[in-house]
Amino acid sequence: QTVVTQEPSFSVSPGGTVTLTCGLSSGSVSNSHVPSWYQQTPGQAPRTLIYNTNIRSAGVPDRFSGSILDNKAVLTITGAQADDEFNYYCVLYMGGGLWVFGGGTTVTVL
Amino acid sequence: QLQLQESGPGLVKPSETLSLTCTVSGGSMSSGRSYWDWIRQSPGKGLEWIATIHYSGAATYYNPSLKSRVTVSIDMSKSQFSLRLTSVTAADTAVYYCAGHSPDRGDFHWGQGTLATVSS
Repeated sequence: QTVVTQEPSFSVSPGGTVTLTCGLSSGSVSNSHVPSWYQQTPGQAPRTLIYNTNIRSAGVPDRFSGSILDNKAVLTITGAQADDEFNYYCVLYMGGGLWVFGGGTTVTVL
Repeated sequence: QLQLQESGPGLVKPSETLSLTCTVSGGSMSSGRSYWDWIRQSPGKGLEWIATIHYSGAATYYNPSLKSRVTVSIDMSKSQFSLRLTSVTAADTAVYYCAGHSPDRGDFHWGQGTLATVSS
């Protein structure tokens, strides 16, 4: 069974850069997986940040960007702020209508 | 502005069937976002995709781990789509989100979610 991997946690200093990855337990992530990223506060619905690798959803600041690097999807947040402390989830499209979410990364701004 | 709202019983007994409905407003179910999804999140855990249905009802897709217990359906006349999950156990206790996405895009638009608790 395919597992989508994410770092459990990431810590960053204010103003620093956050780099979150989304990989596959077996194989490489490509644009065909349409990797997408979501931001969530516990108890609230997720918010779509980036879809199809690098397309920002409406209203998402350009501090947030997506890419594929070294066979993984990457979410980059520049100029980290306390307001960026959320859980971040990625999802990959596995074909045949099937989607698999990663386990999520908790970002802490120290 | 597209809005999705889940509804259904908050409490279900073990071995019974969980039925949820999502009502879509503020936009078309057949253009733009035309695939309609159910996603859940167990307490303190991550997101789990459950199923997707095309607005035509002609195509449905299920998480292999849940496929034997899940059915999704759609009623365009009511702008609603639904989830049925049979033989529930405590492991099915979760916040259930409905969402919609465009073809070949991960641009999920989310409902607020509804908590379904499985308990006797």
